[in-house]
Amino acid sequence: DIQMTQSPSTLSASVGDRVTITCRASQSISDSLAWYQQKPGKAPKVLMYKASSLQSGVPSRFSGSGSGTEFTLTISSLQPEDFATYYCQQYNNYPYTFGQGTKLEIK
Amino acid sequence: QVQLVESGGGVVQPGRSLRLSCAASGFILRNYGMHWVRQAPGKGLEWLTVISPDGTHYADSVKGRFTISRDNSKNTLYLQMNSLRPEDTAVYYCANGGNWSWGRGTTVTVSS
Repeated sequence: DIQMTQSPSTLSASVGDRVTITCRASQSISDSLAWYQQKPGKAPKVLMYKASSLQSGVPSRFSGSGSGTEFTLTISSLQPEDFATYYCQQYNNYPYTFGQGTKLEIK
Repeated sequence: QVQLVESGGGVVQPGRSLRLSCAASGFILRNYGMHWVRQAPGKGLEWLTVISPDGTHYADSVKGRFTISRDNSKNTLYLQMNSLRPEDTAVYYCANGGNWSWGRGTTVTVSS
């Protein structure tokens, strides 16, 4: 199975900050990577797919990059509604696998 | 409007069975790869299974115990869960792998 490792596990930041979350795959997954945002008690919501494609309706302050084994999710200017947990997921090989999550907290 | 609504969750004893449903609207379910994903309390997301044009696939944690299926006439996805264990306690989500939509989830608690 492909292991997905996110870093950091927790990130403290302020409104207006630029933040980056990293996701590493244990083997190449091409660009078959999605990023999700999840708020407490809610279902995950996809932000990016195909590593760098922005899902319809998602603000342009979110961006993704990478291919192969290393990927990043960047939020250019944090808004209050962005404080949540973020997950990456590979969908190149079954079983699909998620990273362990990054909790973005208010500093 | 694309919508997925899960149902069938509840409290069940270890070793028993439960069937979850996921009713789809706004799209034709059989045209997409459809997934089940779960989240144990306070934990991360765990992909479980998919039904797609090329067949079905399962995570090792549920292989042989869980079965994914669909009823095209009802536009509904199912997850048959047998031999349930306490570690299967989680919120279960269905998701469309094509348009990235998710349901709100249904809660399964396995406890004696």
